Amino acid sequence: ILNVEQSPQSLHVQEGDSTNFTCSFPSSNFYALHWYRWETAKSPEALFVMTLNGDEKKKGRISATLNTKEGYSYLYIKGSQPEDSATYLCAFELYGQNFVFGPGTRLSVLP
Amino acid sequence: SAVISQKPSRDICQRGTSLTIQCQVDSQVTMMFWYRQQPGQSLTLIATANQGSEATYESGFVIDKFPISRPNLTFSTLTVSNMSPEDSSIYLCSVEERQGFANEQFFGPGTRLTVL
Repeated sequence: ILNVEQSPQSLHVQEGDSTNFTCSFPSSNFYALHWYRWETAKSPEALFVMTLNGDEKKKGRISATLNTKEGYSYLYIKGSQPEDSATYLCAFELYGQNFVFGPGTRLSVLP
Repeated sequence: SAVISQKPSRDICQRGTSLTIQCQVDSQVTMMFWYRQQPGQSLTLIATANQGSEATYESGFVIDKFPISRPNLTFSTLTVSNMSPEDSSIYLCSVEERQGFANEQFFGPGTRLTVL
């Protein structure tokens, strides 16, 4: 059974703070790692898909890195805003198989 | 990317009843996926709905409990049968599209189910 872990489970930060959280996944049979942002009552929104060891992706104030050899990815948010409040999911994709999701990190940004 | 809608967005149901969730996609897709997220748990795949054939269920999920229909390439339903409080979850449908080297999942907004 594949296990994808995320930490922390939840966190609260002040507006303007920068923050980061972790996704850990099996280092074998890696194909791709996905990050999603899921706001309450909305569809999970794809943020990044990363496939190569050392990949770094950036979208505005949000960026992500990937280490496939040790099996982790970091998501960074610079200068957090209240609209960043959401659950951030990572998903591990094996070739030809279904996605395995982590439990998510619930971020609350306090104004 | 595909646009997906789900109905209902939320419901509160009594133990022992059944609820059917609808999922509509704005384009034709081969496979549709049904997930659930129980409180505090990971998003978990229930089954893959294939048009023209029976759904493929993941370990721990059975057709009698979660019957699925897939009448055409843009629509699917998931029924949660004989519900118990343990079925209280968010249920999501999704479709998959090729994005470069990898696949990408696009999700509906979910159905939040509470079973009393």
